[in-house]
Amino acid sequence: SAVISQKPSRDICQRGTSLTIQCQVDSQVTMMFWYRQQPGQSLTLIATANQGSEATYESGFVIDKFPISRPNLTFSTLTVSNMSPEDSSIYLCSVESEERDEKLFFGSGTQLSVL
Amino acid sequence: QKEVEQDPGPLSVPEGAIVSLNCTYSNSAFQYFMWYRQYSRKGPELLMYTYSSGNKEDGRFTAQVDKSSKYISLFIRDSQPSDSATYLCAMTKNRDDKIIFGKGTRLHILP
Repeated sequence: SAVISQKPSRDICQRGTSLTIQCQVDSQVTMMFWYRQQPGQSLTLIATANQGSEATYESGFVIDKFPISRPNLTFSTLTVSNMSPEDSSIYLCSVESEERDEKLFFGSGTQLSVL
Repeated sequence: QKEVEQDPGPLSVPEGAIVSLNCTYSNSAFQYFMWYRQYSRKGPELLMYTYSSGNKEDGRFTAQVDKSSKYISLFIRDSQPSDSATYLCAMTKNRDDKIIFGKGTRLHILP
């Protein structure tokens, strides 16, 4: 399974600011996924990031709020822009398995608190 | 009706007991079923992966899928305090489709 490093692991931010979360994978992967995990809620897919193309966003998520970069096959960033307390959540980077089946592997997540 | 329903718990059981965790779902097209374990301040890790109906066993863990009832279960035998975590069920139709997660069940194994 892939080893996924995500940072920062946690941060406390002020309303109106932006935070960029980094995700590094120890192997080349085609697709990387960004999830949000709010307290008491299911893991929710924000967007899918493919190298060399624009990220694909799920319903309810927009590029202006959650811009994503995917400069190469081992790295991606998610920015949470113009933050409000409602953005307080865990953000998780994920990749699919080498077999490209239904299995996902996750980073340790970024615990974000917005004051 | 939500696509996937999972009791959030918390569920507290004594060490050594058999634990039963469950999810129900509404979409009969789901074919791939997974259980993830998530420790505090960690990302989810894949625990069990099954295709279609039936049972799958891996050590102390057994995953069971009943597609006719749209019901999946995870059994943990001889539970240990190290099993204390949140368990997420997840399912999808195929690899090109979005994976739907349950909200997770918090499990506490009491020493």
